[in-house]
Amino acid sequence: AQSVTQPDIHITVSEGASLELRCNYSYGATPYLFWYVQSPGQGLQLLLKYFSGDTLVQGIKGFEAEFKRSQSSFNLRKPSVHWSDAAEYFCAVGLQAAGNKLTFGGGTRVLVKP
Amino acid sequence: EPEVTQTPSHQVTQMGQEVILRCVPISNHLYFYWYRQILGQKVEFLVSFYNNEISEKSEIFDDQFSVERPDGSNFTLKIRSTKLEDSAMYFCASRNGPGGYTFGSGTRLTVV
Repeated sequence: AQSVTQPDIHITVSEGASLELRCNYSYGATPYLFWYVQSPGQGLQLLLKYFSGDTLVQGIKGFEAEFKRSQSSFNLRKPSVHWSDAAEYFCAVGLQAAGNKLTFGGGTRVLVKP
Repeated sequence: EPEVTQTPSHQVTQMGQEVILRCVPISNHLYFYWYRQILGQKVEFLVSFYNNEISEKSEIFDDQFSVERPDGSNFTLKIRSTKLEDSAMYFCASRNGPGGYTFGSGTRLTVV
């Protein structure tokens, strides 16, 4: 069965420090990969997506993610976090064969210390 | 930038009542979805809709749920007889190509 795993439920990082959020997936083929951010009580904002091509993807708000086929991973990174980056982050994957519904990971809540 | 609009933003309903959650997808999108997120949990797929019919639904999407695109612009999710466990944030999404997903800001449904 298809699955998406975000191993870290919570991450606390100091403002200005780097951030990396992990995402691993289990699929039969290379899926489409997404990262979304959700502030409390808010909707889902797309940070970036990967379909094919360059495995390093740039997104909004200074985020980037790297697709590693050999590790079935799509980790999200930011070199220097801002207090406004405190939110919950969701990795999601989709397959064309599955009608392109998205399967979400459990999310990682990021807390930013001043 | 085009948006997916959901109304209402918050709805409180009594157990057993019917609710209709409304969504206006992006106008040139062809695929429509409903997802839900129970408080503190991950986002779960409910149903996908294409060419005026359901293309896929999850186990959650039982006979109490239905979707409709009544007028070519709105996309609705109806819960016929709400249960306490239906309390969640419901997200509508639409897309045109294989990616291109756009989510609405959600409707928080509270069943009391």
